[in-house]
Amino acid sequence: DAMVIQNPRYQVTQFGKPVTLSCSQTLNHNVMYWYQQKSSQAPKLLFHYYDKDFNNEADTPDNFQSRRPNTSFCFLDIRSPGLGDAAMYLCATRAASGPNEQYFGPGTRLTVT
Amino acid sequence: QKEVEQNSGPLSVPEGAIASLNCTYSDRVSQSFFWYRQYSGKSPELIMSIYSNGDKEDGRFTAQLNKASQYVSLLIRDSQPSDSATYLCAVRQSASGGSYIPTFGRGTSLIVHP
Repeated sequence: DAMVIQNPRYQVTQFGKPVTLSCSQTLNHNVMYWYQQKSSQAPKLLFHYYDKDFNNEADTPDNFQSRRPNTSFCFLDIRSPGLGDAAMYLCATRAASGPNEQYFGPGTRLTVT
Repeated sequence: QKEVEQNSGPLSVPEGAIASLNCTYSDRVSQSFFWYRQYSGKSPELIMSIYSNGDKEDGRFTAQLNKASQYVSLLIRDSQPSDSATYLCAVRQSASGGSYIPTFGRGTSLIVHP
C-alpha cells in the first residue's frame, strides 16, 4: 500500500546531541511537510518542499534543518536539541495537482533527556 | 494573521448521539477545508475534505461549509466510543509557486461515553 513512513517511531536523545528524523513516501507526491506538535496544540509547520524547492517558515528555529535528497525521502535534523524540542514530529505529503489532501505519517515521538 | 478557531472541549456526548464540531476561520479567500481525527499519541488521519458550500456526507460523517459565515462543521451521527479523539480542522491558506500551506486549529476533544 502507498504510504508515508517515519523512522524511528520513538527517539530519545540527550540535551545537545544531534538527532535526525526520517520520512519516506511511496505516494510520489511533490510536496512534503515537517510539523512539530506538542500536547494539546495544533501542528506547527517547520518546513515544506515543493519538489526540491525548500521553504522555511519564518519562526522555525535555526536549530532545525531539513534535507530532501529525492522525491521519496525527507530528513529533519535537530542540531542541538533542547528540552523544549520534545514533541511529536509529523511528516506529511500532498500531490501538487488534484485533491488538496495531506497525508500524514505515523510521527516520531522525540524525548530529550 | 490567518487563524482557525476551534473550541478545545472536551465535548462529551452519549453513545448513539450526534456530535457536532465547529470551526471558524479568518481568511475569506480560503478554498479548501479538511477534518482530521487524531487519537492520543497518534498522527492526524484525514476524515473529510470539503470545497463547496453546503453539506458533504460520508458514512456517519457530514461536513458542512458556509463560506459567507466563515465556518465549517463536522457532524458525527450515531457516535461510538471509538470516535473519542481530537478532531482537527484545517484550512488552506493562499500560497504561491504551487505549494500549499494549511492552517490547523488546535482541535476539539470529543468523548463519547457508553
